[in-house]
Parts: sequence; structure tokens; C-alpha cells
Amino acid sequence: AQSVTQLDSQVPVFEEAPVELRCNYSSSVSVYLFWYVQYPNQGLQLLLKYLSGSTLVESINGFEAEFNKSQTSFHLRKPSVHISDTAEYFCAVISNTGKLIFGQGTTLQVKP
Amino acid sequence: DVKVTQSSRYLVKRTGEKVFLECVQDMDHENMFWYRQDPGLGLRLIYFSYDVKMKEKGDIPEGYSVSREKKERFSLILESASTNQTSMYLCASSPPAWDNEQFFGPGTRLTVL
Repeated sequence: AQSVTQLDSQVPVFEEAPVELRCNYSSSVSVYLFWYVQYPNQGLQLLLKYLSGSTLVESINGFEAEFNKSQTSFHLRKPSVHISDTAEYFCAVISNTGKLIFGQGTTLQVKP
Repeated sequence: DVKVTQSSRYLVKRTGEKVFLECVQDMDHENMFWYRQDPGLGLRLIYFSYDVKMKEKGDIPEGYSVSREKKERFSLILESASTNQTSMYLCASSPPAWDNEQFFGPGTRLTVL
């Protein structure tokens, strides 16, 4: 069965510093991977996704994630964070029945 | 702008009450989902529906039921609310293909006293 593990529940970081949010998955089938973001008091919204092709995928607001098959990872990175990036981030994988399986979530706290 | 709306942002109910959570989407999506979100557990799928009047159990369906009489509306029902159902409930919708983005509503924070 597929599963997703987000290794850090909270990541505090200062503004303009780089950040990495870690995600590992287990899957026995083709892998479709997602990062969703939840800003305070809002629903989730898609940040980026990997379906096939280039292993490096980017979002419009400067985040990127790299699919690493050998390490079964899909870590999310940003070279310089802003206060507005403060949110909860969820990694997810599509199961072999088409359902999204979410990780536990990582709260990114950007400090001035 | 695509939208998923949920009937209430906050709801307080008493143990044993029947509770209805409503979700409406305006994107003509076939798939609709109900999740609950709890700290440290992420999102867990309760039920989903891939067509009108069709429903499938998710990972934690116990104590819940759903109804989908119209394509745009998916209701979550707590037949007899219990305190362990205090949680944030999120509705989502998507087109039918597996790799499609799910669009989420703002959530309903339910407290059962």
C-alpha cells in the first residue's frame, strides 16, 4: 500500500533563508506526486505536481521539488522564503485506486 | 474562478445530534471527496463520489454517510455525532482522471460537545 511520510512536523526559518521540506513515499505502482499548501484559515491548493518527464518541477512562486526514484523522495525546496510562505504544506501520492494519500503535513514558520 | 464552497466555517453540535455538512462545486466536476484533517495526521479520506448517486468508502468511513443527488452537491452526514468527530472537514472536487488537481473548499471546523 502506498504511504507518505513528511519527516518534519514544523520547520522554523528566517525570512530570505533557504528551506527544504522533506517527503518520502512508498509505492509499488507508477508514482504521481503532489505538494499542496494550506495558508491560514484557507483550504488546500495545489503547489506543484510530478506526473512524468523531468524530475524537477517548479511552482509559480519559486518553490521546486525533485522526484528521486532511488531515494523514494519528493522534497520541496525554496532558495529564499518570504513571510507570506508561512503555511502548512502537504505531500501526497496517488494510490493505485486513484485516491490521494496525504502525509502528516509540515508547518513552515517564516520569521522576520 | 473555480470554487468549492462549504455551508459553514464553524459548527458546534451536541453528542448524539445528526449533523449535515454541505459542499457545492461550480466546476462540473465528476469527482467529489470528503476528508477530515487532524493535527499530526494530515488529511484522511472519509468518502468519495465519482458520479451522481455513486459513493465509495474512503479510509475512515465509520460513523459517517454521504449523499450525492446532484452533480454539484456532496453532503456528509454524521448520523449521531460523537466527541471524537470534532475535527476540520474539507470537501474537494476534481475531474475524473487520477492525475488531476483536487480543488478544496475552505473547510468546516466542527466541534462536538
